[in-house]
Amino acid sequence: RKEVEQDPGPFNVPEGATVAFNCTYSNSASQSFFWYRQDCRKEPKLLMSVYSSGNEDGRFTAQLNRASQYISLLIRDSKLSDSATYLCVVNIHNQGGKLIFGQGTELSVKP
Amino acid sequence: DVKVTQSSRYLVKRTGEKVFLECVQDMDHENMFWYRQDPGLGLRLIYFSYDVKMKEKGDIPEGYSVSREKKERFSLILESASTNQTSMYLCASSLLVLYGYTFGSGTRLTVV
Repeated sequence: RKEVEQDPGPFNVPEGATVAFNCTYSNSASQSFFWYRQDCRKEPKLLMSVYSSGNEDGRFTAQLNRASQYISLLIRDSKLSDSATYLCVVNIHNQGGKLIFGQGTELSVKP
Repeated sequence: DVKVTQSSRYLVKRTGEKVFLECVQDMDHENMFWYRQDPGLGLRLIYFSYDVKMKEKGDIPEGYSVSREKKERFSLILESASTNQTSMYLCASSLLVLYGYTFGSGTRLTVV
């Protein structure tokens, strides 16, 4: 079983739609959580950290459910520029500073 | 902003060549990482380093080595390049894991 699992998509949505990505992680010792965004043929860039209480940054909302070992990312009012691959990332407590990446969910926002 | 610079965007090397991929960061980060990214396999950790002259194997170290002689520079070495090492190589650095990583722009290596 993969340590971090995501639906690969692609998710094809119209502009203005709300889209949700889900991610599950297998190690209960996971302690830090992130969403990264990766544009085609570019490097991943940190989109947001995910906190236990949930957090929001503009149109983006991240949620963490430790009991279910589940992370989500909600994008509201999606824009063409949101088209990218979204990577779910976790850090495991006893593995130091290493981050473990999911394979990513591809999003395509259409006019 | 932290800047992580990888020396080449694109490289083409021949099978059997020794290949050096260089990575430099400008924010005095202790932690540096090398990943490779392949379609369908995601990012896989090759080697990492938490300090000068320190290195640890990641998940796929075979065929690779690293060097960290200075804090700001972390080099990945392909001892004898093979076609299955054709990939996108990404370097990253971090101050603390809870801040996440900053990646370089990547080196797309093709071994022919």
